[in-house]
Amino acid sequence: EAQVTQNPRYLITVTGKKLTVTCSQNMNHEYMSWYRQDPGLGLRQIYYSMNVEVTDKGDVPEGYKVSRKEKRNFPLILESPSPNQTSLYFCASSLFYSGVAGEDEQFFGPGTRLTVL
Amino acid sequence: GEDVEQSLFLSVREGDSSVINCTYTDSSSTYLYWYKQEPGAGLQLLTYIFSNMDMKQDQRLTVLLNKKDKHLSLRIADTQTGDSAIYFCAERGSQGNLIFGKGTKLSVKP
Repeated sequence: EAQVTQNPRYLITVTGKKLTVTCSQNMNHEYMSWYRQDPGLGLRQIYYSMNVEVTDKGDVPEGYKVSRKEKRNFPLILESPSPNQTSLYFCASSLFYSGVAGEDEQFFGPGTRLTVL
Repeated sequence: GEDVEQSLFLSVREGDSSVINCTYTDSSSTYLYWYKQEPGAGLQLLTYIFSNMDMKQDQRLTVLLNKKDKHLSLRIADTQTGDSAIYFCAERGSQGNLIFGKGTKLSVKP
């Protein structure tokens, strides 16, 4: 089954304790992206990756890191989480970014709800 | 800057039509999208429209685009309780990323 998986789905942690949220897709997609969703703010892009070893900042990259060593995986790293990073995080992937709607439909993972105390 | 605006809530009765409105700022957007988020789930692409189209119909869904006013709408005919969800309008920004509105929560009352 074609899908984007994220782990963990729920996480409660404390300020300053490094954590990684994994994202994996089995569709051989080139483009992957991380978003955070906050009430009243909608979805905001954190980082994205056009392909292996190519990553770029989105709208709200501060406090986050990513890596893209393999095509299928795009982990999100919080080196020193803070309470303002409490949010719902979504990973998404698409075949490639071409600007053609049918080709670059983004598939979303189920989300990771992170609470930082 | 680039921005997408939509109303936050809409409540309708089962069987009625729902119309969710959206305005966007980037007139160069080639595609505009509607995504649906059901409770506890990720976003799912519902439909999209190419910027040179005025209307697109897909079963119960009708998308209207007024490019002059930068206004996009999604009409759901015969709304069902299963349509209750958050609906996001999105445009593609100049950097190639998707810019989402804040989402409209549609509540369908029986």
